[in-house]
Amino acid sequence: SQQGEEDPQALSIQEGENATMNCSYKTSINNLQWYRQNSGRGLVHLILIRSNEREKHSGRLRVTLDTSKKSSSLLITASRAADTASYFCATDDSYSGGGADGLTFGKGTHLIIQP
Amino acid sequence: GAVVSQHPSWVICKSGTSVKIECRSLDFQATTMFWYRQFPKQSLMLMATSNEGSKATYEQGVEKDKFLINHASLTLSTLTVTSAHPEDSSFYICSGTDEYTDTQYFGPGTRLTVL
Repeated sequence: SQQGEEDPQALSIQEGENATMNCSYKTSINNLQWYRQNSGRGLVHLILIRSNEREKHSGRLRVTLDTSKKSSSLLITASRAADTASYFCATDDSYSGGGADGLTFGKGTHLIIQP
Repeated sequence: GAVVSQHPSWVICKSGTSVKIECRSLDFQATTMFWYRQFPKQSLMLMATSNEGSKATYEQGVEKDKFLINHASLTLSTLTVTSAHPEDSSFYICSGTDEYTDTQYFGPGTRLTVL
């Protein structure tokens, strides 16, 4: 079952502005990952943040994680038209112990950057 | 990042036929690979975990006799949709975990349309 909830569901901003998306989850996690998906295409991995990390940067991306609130945010700075896509958070829960686990995805935020 | 490929990219088949989808990790070995399904405008749902050399683990509600998974090597997993029906039409995406980084890398997806 899905445990992640992103908000907003959809967001439209002007090119150059910053875009912030939020994700909440329900269980304890090992890590949280953000992915981008262009329409009808596969997923592109953006960033992974571990449960013991609070903030991580990668280029124009900034991710925060608050395990006490079971929430994460993805900030895209200086947005570009090419950033138009759906963005998903996905969690790797900590219940199953060692080994690789399937991810639980949120519902996604559809981001539209207007030129 | 690591690369995962899928074949075919899209397939159209008649109801009642079987379709095989291949998933390959191209530059890393994946003892565990995952199969997800995504319906239009929805998020990804984990179907099953494919384990090299052993039986796949299916999520609740996923019929193991309908979705046959074979993980023949550390770089190849296959999903066979048996006796496909129109309701099986979906976007099927596989992934493999780079166990050094815990990052899950996704294939480009296979769009299945059952007539």
